[in-house]
Amino acid sequence: DIQMTQSPSSLSASIGDTVTIRCRASQSVSTHLNWYQQKPGKAPKPLIYAASTLQSGVPSRFSGSGSGTDFTLTITSLQPEDSAIYYCHQTYGALTWTFGQGTRVEI
Amino acid sequence: EVQLVESGGGLARPGGSLRLSCAASGFNFNAYWMSWVRQAPGKGLEWLANIKQDEVEKYHADSVKGRFSISRDNAKSSLYLQMNRLRVEDTAVYFCAKIIYNSGRFPSYDYWGRGTLVTVSS
Repeated sequence: DIQMTQSPSSLSASIGDTVTIRCRASQSVSTHLNWYQQKPGKAPKPLIYAASTLQSGVPSRFSGSGSGTDFTLTITSLQPEDSAIYYCHQTYGALTWTFGQGTRVEI
Repeated sequence: EVQLVESGGGLARPGGSLRLSCAASGFNFNAYWMSWVRQAPGKGLEWLANIKQDEVEKYHADSVKGRFSISRDNAKSSLYLQMNRLRVEDTAVYFCAKIIYNSGRFPSYDYWGRGTLVTVSS
């Protein structure tokens, strides 16, 4: 199975900052990589699919990049509502998928 | 409006069984792959299973293979997860999620239910 490792596990930043979350796959997943945002007690919210394409309605301060084994989620001009846990999610191969362990963003 | 509503969670004993349901509405259910994902208390997301539109293809995570089984009833727009031989570590919120193939190639989840809590305890 493909393992996904996110770093850091948590971070603290201020309003207006730029933060970067990294996600590394144990083998290549091409660009079959998605990002989700989850707030306490809520279902995850889709942010990005195919490594870099924003889901409809997601603010442009969110961006994704990468391919193969290394990916990043960047949030520029951090807002209070961005406080959440962010998960990467690979959907490559024989339909056995995995999530990263999550990155908590505190503002 | 797309809605996914899970039900069937509750308290179960170790070794017991539960069947979760997910009622879908607002989209053509029989045109989409569907999935189950769980989240143990205070932990991250864990993918459990995917099922194709016609049930011909099903995939399960190693952690639940042989104990859990995903199924669907397109006539009822419903997704199911049969959970047998439950363990304490199966305690989690269980989400159903709709899979979309973006640009026909890149699968992701575009809608999630709110989840149903399963507690396994003696």
